[in-house]
Amino acid sequence: SSELTQDPAVSVALGQTVRITCQGDSLRDYYANWYQQKPGLAPVVVVYGRNNRPSGIPDRFSGSRSGNTASLTITGAQAEDEADYYCNSRDSSGYHVLFGGGTKLTVL
Amino acid sequence: QVQLQESGPGLVKPSQTLSLTCIVSGGSISSGGYYWSWVRQHPGKALEWIGYIYYSVTTYYNSSLKSRVTISVDTSKNQFSLKLTSVTAADTAVYYCARENYGREGAYWFDPWGQGILVTVSS
Repeated sequence: SSELTQDPAVSVALGQTVRITCQGDSLRDYYANWYQQKPGLAPVVVVYGRNNRPSGIPDRFSGSRSGNTASLTITGAQAEDEADYYCNSRDSSGYHVLFGGGTKLTVL
Repeated sequence: QVQLQESGPGLVKPSQTLSLTCIVSGGSISSGGYYWSWVRQHPGKALEWIGYIYYSVTTYYNSSLKSRVTISVDTSKNQFSLKLTSVTAADTAVYYCARENYGREGAYWFDPWGQGILVTVSS
């Protein structure tokens, strides 16, 4: 498969834990990465590889994988976490790049 | 740290060629192991990978755009470029340049990104 599938929208109460998922056959071969995008701004990577966070990204963001599904977990969601989240990986050939359709996270 | 900045016209006429440049600062584009990439985002839509250039000569493109896309590198200016021919209104989007990294775990990820440039195709 050459697609990554995400739920279009997810909501979470302030301070609670939320999981955003990404499904695709390529995830059996390649790790998913997660990007946060706020309106009018470029995407920013929040988790990459097995479960790595760039410097400056809070440790409430974590990633995991099971089979063909990758997950981004935000433990103790904050108001500033409200954004669009995209997953990405290489496709199964290893040469092309895939992006998921994005998940709009609302913090209530 | 490495920073990327897109430049080019914000308005292109239908059937013409969209040409954008990404200026790389804070590091050399000749450094090995990076995939210098273009990604676009139609208004209100998801990110779409356009293609990358690797080691200044190897390119891979999104199959849906392959016949119209060329990505090239100018190492003397530390920049890389995107050309998209025969544009239509469907090519109106924000275009981002980004560096794709490869890690020891076999992960590939984009960081950093340019700020993006809105290109409108209209007569």
